Amino acid sequence: ILNVEQSPQSLHVQEGDSTNFTCSFPSSNFYALHWYRWETAKSPKALFVMTLNGDEKKKGRISATLNTKEGYSYLYIKGSQPEDSATYLCALNTNAGKSTFGDGTTLTVKP
Amino acid sequence: EAQVTQNPRYLITVTGKKLTVTCSQNMNHEYMSWYRQDPGLGLRQIYYSMNVEVTDKGDVPEGYKVSRKEKRNFPLILESPSPNQTSLYFCASRGPLLVDTQYFGPGTRLTVL
Repeated sequence: ILNVEQSPQSLHVQEGDSTNFTCSFPSSNFYALHWYRWETAKSPKALFVMTLNGDEKKKGRISATLNTKEGYSYLYIKGSQPEDSATYLCALNTNAGKSTFGDGTTLTVKP
Repeated sequence: EAQVTQNPRYLITVTGKKLTVTCSQNMNHEYMSWYRQDPGLGLRQIYYSMNVEVTDKGDVPEGYKVSRKEKRNFPLILESPSPNQTSLYFCASRGPLLVDTQYFGPGTRLTVL
């Protein structure tokens, strides 16, 4: 079983703060990394898929970077809003079917 | 509307009573997968299927069975449920490529007494 780690486990920020969190994974046999956003009482929704070392993806105030050589990806949220409160999951796809998730970072944005 | 559906959404059962959680998708996706989520943990993959009649174990397959007789359906079977299978279960589907977006069902909350 692969070890995909996310840090921190939880984060509390004020509205307007920018924040970032980390997904770490074994750098060997990398295929694709997915970020998901999971709101309470809903199902996870895809944010980004990242495949190449140096990849940067952006969607509104949220962006992500990927370093496959050192085995990490960062998710950044600029100017956090209360509606950004959710658990953010990363998942590593290492072959045709297996998908290993981290335990997530739970973000709470206080108004 | 493109979606993944699961039934039932909530289920309380007793130890040893066989149950099936259904999963269906209308996006003609080749790949389907089952996950369980427990407090404080991320999603853990139970089984996945790359296409009809092709299934394989994820990281936590013990106590579960699956079948993929049709492309749209991927039921999860618990032959003899035990309390340690109390969990939130998600079904998901995507296209054939690793970079394809994975779509999740609404979840099934299972309690085994």
